[in-house]
Amino acid sequence: EADIYQTPRYLVIGTGKKITLECSQTMGHDKMYWYQQDPGMELHLIHYSYGVNSTEKGDLSSESTVSRIRTEHFPLTLESARPSHTSQYLCASSDEEGQGENTIYFGEGSWLTVV
Amino acid sequence: SQQGEEDPQALSIQEGENATMNCSYKTSINNLQWYRQNSGRGLVHLILIRSNEREKHSGRLRVTLDTSKKSSSLLITASRAADTASYFCVSERYQKVTFGTGTKLQVIP
Repeated sequence: EADIYQTPRYLVIGTGKKITLECSQTMGHDKMYWYQQDPGMELHLIHYSYGVNSTEKGDLSSESTVSRIRTEHFPLTLESARPSHTSQYLCASSDEEGQGENTIYFGEGSWLTVV
Repeated sequence: SQQGEEDPQALSIQEGENATMNCSYKTSINNLQWYRQNSGRGLVHLILIRSNEREKHSGRLRVTLDTSKKSSSLLITASRAADTASYFCVSERYQKVTFGTGTKLQVIP
């Protein structure tokens, strides 16, 4: 059982509000990721981090920002939410397990609805 | 943009039948992983196959990898209603992961 947690699980907020999705892992993994997934669609990598103070944008352009001040914590922030940000956000972490193996562990996801 | 492609996009079978899903990718990889996602929930890791492996088994799951064709297949034998979910392949190369588009599997009791 993976130890990676996301809060909140479900959030409904008004347009223009600032929100932060929290993600924490207790496995000491250096690598962490944020994915965005619209219902029934594929996952898109929007941010990733390979360690403290390291953050990169993913393949899909996103108006969100992330920070990595501590190894276990990788929050995602939207400064001004819009209805187009309505989606599921999945946090993940991984680490080398030897010989290049890299199992990715996912959180349960945060469902964001912007009205 | 997504580099992985899976087919079929959707598959509906009777309980007890086998389900086969295919995945293709575009660049060389270190390993390829398969995940399951139940509706509205997070992803669950199923199995990992390394680039130097050709076949791997885990319970009712059998994964093959053909690096010359840049493709992989996931076979679920003796399917159960609880196998109903979306299945994703994930290719990993030099610390970058790429998801396939997913196959929606429905197993009818």
